[in-house]
Parts: sequence; C-alpha cells; structure tokens
Amino acid sequence: NAGVTQTPKFQVLKTGQSMTLQCAQDMNHEYMSWYRQDPGMGLRLIHYSVGAGITDQGEVPNGYNVSRSTTEDFPLRLLSAAPSQTSVYFCASSWQGGGTDTQYFGPGTRLTVL
Amino acid sequence: GESVGLHLPTLSVQEGDNSIINCAYSNSASDYFIWYKQESGKGPQFIIDIRSNMDKRQGQRVTVLLNKTVKHLSLQIAATQPGDSAVYFCAENSGGSNYKLTFGKGTLLTVNP
Repeated sequence: NAGVTQTPKFQVLKTGQSMTLQCAQDMNHEYMSWYRQDPGMGLRLIHYSVGAGITDQGEVPNGYNVSRSTTEDFPLRLLSAAPSQTSVYFCASSWQGGGTDTQYFGPGTRLTVL
Repeated sequence: GESVGLHLPTLSVQEGDNSIINCAYSNSASDYFIWYKQESGKGPQFIIDIRSNMDKRQGQRVTVLLNKTVKHLSLQIAATQPGDSAVYFCAENSGGSNYKLTFGKGTLLTVNP
C-alpha cells in the first residue's frame, strides 16, 4: 500500500491564481481530512469528509473548497490564492472518524503564495 | 475557547535518557487523545493513543499517561535515541467529536549523542 499520497510536494502561486492540491489513499478509509500547518500554530482542520459525497467544514474552511466523488480521492481547491494561504498542507485518512481512531498523514504540500 | 497546549516548547536530552513530553487540555468532554511525531519535512506519524477510560497505555519504548483530574497528558520515551529527535504533538478529539481533532502547538525534542 502506498498509504496517503499528496501532489505536488511544492507549489508557488501568485495572488489570485487557483489550484488543486491532490490527495489519494489506497487503504479504503472512509474518513479523509485536510489540515494546514503554520509555524507556532499546530495543525488546523480545514475540511473533512466521512465518506464519498459527504464533506463538512473544519476550523479554518474559508478560501478552500473540497469534494469527495470517490472513496480514494479528496482534492482541496484554492479558488483565488492569497498570501495568507502560504502554509504546509497535510491530507489524512482513517477508517472511521478522525476523532475516534488513528489518522494516517500524507507527506504534505508546501505552498507559497506571492 | 477550548485548546490543547504543551508546557514545554523545546526539550533537549542525552541519548539513553528517558524523555517526558507534557500536554495540557482544557476540554473535559474530549475522550480520545493521540500523540504524533513529526520529523523535519515529513507528515505527522502516529505514535500512541489513549481513550478516557484508561489512565495509562504502553507501546514500544513509549508510554502515555492520562490524568483526567488535572486534564494532563504526557508522553514518556524510554532510552531516547537520536532517531527520536522530532516535534511531538498531542491531539484531542475536540470535546468528544467523532470527526475533529484539535492539535497542540508541538514540542521539539532534541537528542544529543
């Protein structure tokens, strides 16, 4: 199993550009989530999904969209990038809910918005 | 608001010593707690978890202690090795949520040879 994979590893955007961060898992996990990690802030939940077709907002959802058309994939979209979105983004998955069992994290995407 | 915090932002130990990393939480409704290790440039890696119906759980070289009375969580690493150098995060399931975790800010553990 590859586990949780994320692409790209690095990305530089200009303010106002859009892009999609890709996340995939091959463990047949129902639950997937996106976090951002900023210095001194810990990990903060952006959006999560409890299964295909179901998504919900986390702690810091503004500026981000998600969809879950398949169990395996959970892309994160930035419609109009802002410098405040410069961060490291992590995708995670688990069998059930992120609050009840182990979440497995991907390697991260480091995003810089100029 | 509710939050998870760490008492010490950095910890430096000698190789072979035992390490203790502490974490305070304030949401008494949280019932699932996890410790993660994050090495530089990598994603968080699960170390050990504990549910609120337990006060101690042991893994390989690691032990997590939960004191619900004072809302305190600790991670003990026995015989610390250079490979243990990383940032350690505690997390709680945000007041008992099945879906949301609240992470602490992390403690940097440095192991000196």
